[in-house]
Amino acid sequence: QKEVEQDPGPLSVPEGAIVSLNCTYSNSAFQYFMWYRQYSRKGPELLMYTYSSGNKEDGRFTAQVDKSSKYISLFIRDSQPSDSATYLCAMRSYSGAGSYQLTFGKGTKLSVIP
Amino acid sequence: DVKVTQSSRYLVKRTGEKVFLECVQDMDHENMFWYRQDPGLGLRLIYFSYDVKMKEKGDIPEGYSVSREKKERFSLILESASTNQTSMYLCASSYLLGGWNEQFFGPGTRLTVL
Repeated sequence: QKEVEQDPGPLSVPEGAIVSLNCTYSNSAFQYFMWYRQYSRKGPELLMYTYSSGNKEDGRFTAQVDKSSKYISLFIRDSQPSDSATYLCAMRSYSGAGSYQLTFGKGTKLSVIP
Repeated sequence: DVKVTQSSRYLVKRTGEKVFLECVQDMDHENMFWYRQDPGLGLRLIYFSYDVKMKEKGDIPEGYSVSREKKERFSLILESASTNQTSMYLCASSYLLGGWNEQFFGPGTRLTVL
């Protein structure tokens, strides 16, 4: 079983829809959870991060973590065509080499249709 | 504004050639990372470095080496390029400790090996 599982999609929704993106993980050592957004032909950029179980909201975006189920979600309300991108979940653990590493999901490609 | 730059956006090389990919960051970050990104496989860590002249193997180091002679610069070397190294290569950097260790990514180098 891979450490981080993420459905690659593609996911296509109409403008204004609520989008739900999800990842599951198996490693209990993961402490911090992040969502990166990657536009076509660009590098990923951090969208949201959270630590504790529960919800964290930022504008139209809500990140949700359920540590007991090892499940994280990103919700996008009132989705816009500009949200069309690949969304990668990432989880942080201590690497043992004096540093931290991120383990990424494979990414879900989202298209929001006007 | 954090900036991670990569020497080339697109590169075409022949099998057996030695290839250098360079990455420079301007935020005085201790950590630097090299990933490759392939459809269906997501982001995979090749090597990372948490200090000058220090390097650690990631998940897929075979066929690659790295060099970090200065804090701001991290080079990925393909000693003898092969067609299965055709990929998008992404460099990232982050602080060593504290905060979320957010990784800042460069724009990527799309390498084609013929």
